[in-house]
Amino acid sequence: DTAVSQTPKYLVTQMGNDKSIKCEQNLGHDTMYWYKQDSKKFLKIMFSYNNKELIINETVPNRFSPKSPDKAHLNLHINSLELGDSAVYFCASSPSGGRATSEAFFGQGTRLTVV
Amino acid sequence: GDSVTQMEGPVTLSEEAFLTINCTYTATGYPSLFWYVQYPGEGLQLLLKATKADDKGSNKGFEATYRKETTSFHLEKGSVQVSDSAVYFCALNRDDKIIFGKGTRLHILP
Repeated sequence: DTAVSQTPKYLVTQMGNDKSIKCEQNLGHDTMYWYKQDSKKFLKIMFSYNNKELIINETVPNRFSPKSPDKAHLNLHINSLELGDSAVYFCASSPSGGRATSEAFFGQGTRLTVV
Repeated sequence: GDSVTQMEGPVTLSEEAFLTINCTYTATGYPSLFWYVQYPGEGLQLLLKATKADDKGSNKGFEATYRKETTSFHLEKGSVQVSDSAVYFCALNRDDKIIFGKGTRLHILP
């Protein structure tokens, strides 16, 4: 069983379109994250949710809207896609609950290409 | 704010060489520290971690020691293999916010 799974793995779309990336974790974790990895491999946190509540929003354009229907899912919807949104997006989860010793478990990533 | 700084890459070594990748951090309080590895086309995998000062994390021949006095968590391996070629990320967790360094690409030549 895949612990953190995200779909799709690849996404090619035109500028101006709206798209969604889905993420599910079966680890029973309380906290989920979205990270963006650029072409230089730099990983930047975008959002984190704890038990369906938004905890961190790191100055991400409001075209990006995370949605957490339950604590096992954290989806990312992107409106009006721009060329600069091209990147690999990683979903992750961790047990947390104040346990700052916890590591994050990552999905395989979604490579988004905006043309 | 909290941050992680790691040495710029790429680092190129011959097989069986000794590896050090430097990592220093800035954070209030006492974060947990991690090394993650990313193989080509894959997500990040935890390599090792340390949760308090003087802890040593180790896995697959890699080691790192949490040094509070120097705010460092350098990654070392005594004898690298071609299969160790990957991107390595140092990271910290404070209050459930996991912050990564910029990554160091490692190439091991046979």
